[in-house]
Amino acid sequence: EAQVTQNPRYLITVTGKKLTVTCSQNMNHEYMSWYRQDPGLGLRQIYYSMNVEVTDKGDVPEGYKVSRKEKRNFPLILESPSPNQTSLYFCASSYRGLGTQYFGPGTRLLVL
Amino acid sequence: GQQLNQSPQSMFIQEGEDVSMNCTSSSIFNTWLWYKQDPGEGPVLLIALYKAGELTSNGRLTAQFGITRKDSFLNISASIPSDVGIYFCAGTSNFNKFYFGSGTKLNVKP
Repeated sequence: EAQVTQNPRYLITVTGKKLTVTCSQNMNHEYMSWYRQDPGLGLRQIYYSMNVEVTDKGDVPEGYKVSRKEKRNFPLILESPSPNQTSLYFCASSYRGLGTQYFGPGTRLLVL
Repeated sequence: GQQLNQSPQSMFIQEGEDVSMNCTSSSIFNTWLWYKQDPGEGPVLLIALYKAGELTSNGRLTAQFGITRKDSFLNISASIPSDVGIYFCAGTSNFNKFYFGSGTKLNVKP
């Protein structure tokens, strides 16, 4: 089944404790992206990757890091989480140049 | 970043009614996309529009890419209870950076 998976689905952590949210897709998509969703703000793009080893900033990259060492995986790293990073995070992937992104199920993060 | 204004923010309608929502941008986009999000899930693509003036249907859903390339519209005809959810518009100029509206929450009374 074609899908985008994210782990964990729910995470509660404390300020400053490094964490990684994993994202994996099985559709051989070149393009992958991370978004955060906050009430009343819709989805805002954090980082995206056009292919392996090629990443760039979205609209709200501060406090986040990404890496793309393999085509199928695109982890999101929060080196020192803060409470304002409490949010619902989505990973998405697509064939490059199409825009028709497939979204993962989301990761709900609470930073205390 | 770019601002997409999506309206209305929420709608309460009776089953069988038609629904319209729209999205405007301060900048030109080459592609407009409409997504639906059910509770606890990620957005799912409904319709993609690639050309100014384009009108595209997907079942009871019809979307249009505005002539100015700064707006898009989504219509749902004869709504049913499973149409309940949040609808998002999104725009992109280069298929790398995507900008989303704040969403329209649709409630349908049986």
